[in-house]
Amino acid sequence: KAGVTQTPRYLIKTRGQQVTLSCSPISGHRSVSWYQQTPGQGLQFLFEYFSETQRNKGNFPGRFSGRQFSNSRSEMNVSTLELGDSALYLCASRTVSNNEQFFGPGTRLTVL
Amino acid sequence: EDQVTQSPEALRLQEGESSSLNCSYTVSGLRGLFWYRQDPGKGPEFLFTLYSAGEEKEKERLKATLTKKESFLHITAPKPEDSATYLCAVRNQISGSARQLTFGSGTQLTVLP
Repeated sequence: KAGVTQTPRYLIKTRGQQVTLSCSPISGHRSVSWYQQTPGQGLQFLFEYFSETQRNKGNFPGRFSGRQFSNSRSEMNVSTLELGDSALYLCASRTVSNNEQFFGPGTRLTVL
Repeated sequence: EDQVTQSPEALRLQEGESSSLNCSYTVSGLRGLFWYRQDPGKGPEFLFTLYSAGEEKEKERLKATLTKKESFLHITAPKPEDSATYLCAVRNQISGSARQLTFGSGTQLTVLP
C-alpha cells in the first residue's frame, strides 16, 4: 500500500508570497492532519480535515488555511509568508476509526 | 494545556548497550500516547500506541511502557540502525473526534558501532 505523499518536497519562496502544499493520504484514509516542524518549536498541530470539513485547528494565525477534496486529498495554503514560516510541513492520514496517524515525508519550505 | 517532556534530549550508546528514553506528560484525560521514530529529512514513522497505565507493547528491540504520568521506550541491545530521533505525543479527551496530537521535543539517539 502506498504511503502518504506530499508535493512538492522542497520549496523556496520570498517574504510576502503565498504557497500551496499538497498531500495525498493513504488509500482509504479519510482524515488528514497538518503539522509544522521547526527546530525551536518542534512538531505543532495546524489543523485536521475529515470529509472535507475542518475538525480542529491549532494556534496558528489565519494566514494558514487548508482544505480537503472529495477524494480526501488535502492542500494547505500559507499567505503573506514570513521568515518564521520556514519549516518542514508534515501531513498525516488515518482511518476514521483508528488513532494512529501515518506521516508523509514532508515539504521543506524556505522563506527568504 | 497539554505538556509533553522528553528526556534526555540526546543519548549516545554503544552498540549492544541497552537504555531507556523517558516521556513525561500532563494531559486532560489521556486518549492515547504515541511513539514515533524520525530519521533526518523524513516524516515520523509510527511505532506504538498506548492507552492505559500498565500497558506494554514490543517491536523488535523496542518496548514501550505506560504509567499515569510517564512512558518509557526501552531499547534492548541497540544497533546503529536504531539511530534516530524518537518522538512522544499525546492525545487528550477534549479534542473529541479530532485527532490533534501534542508532541514532545524528542530524544536524539545515536548508536555507535
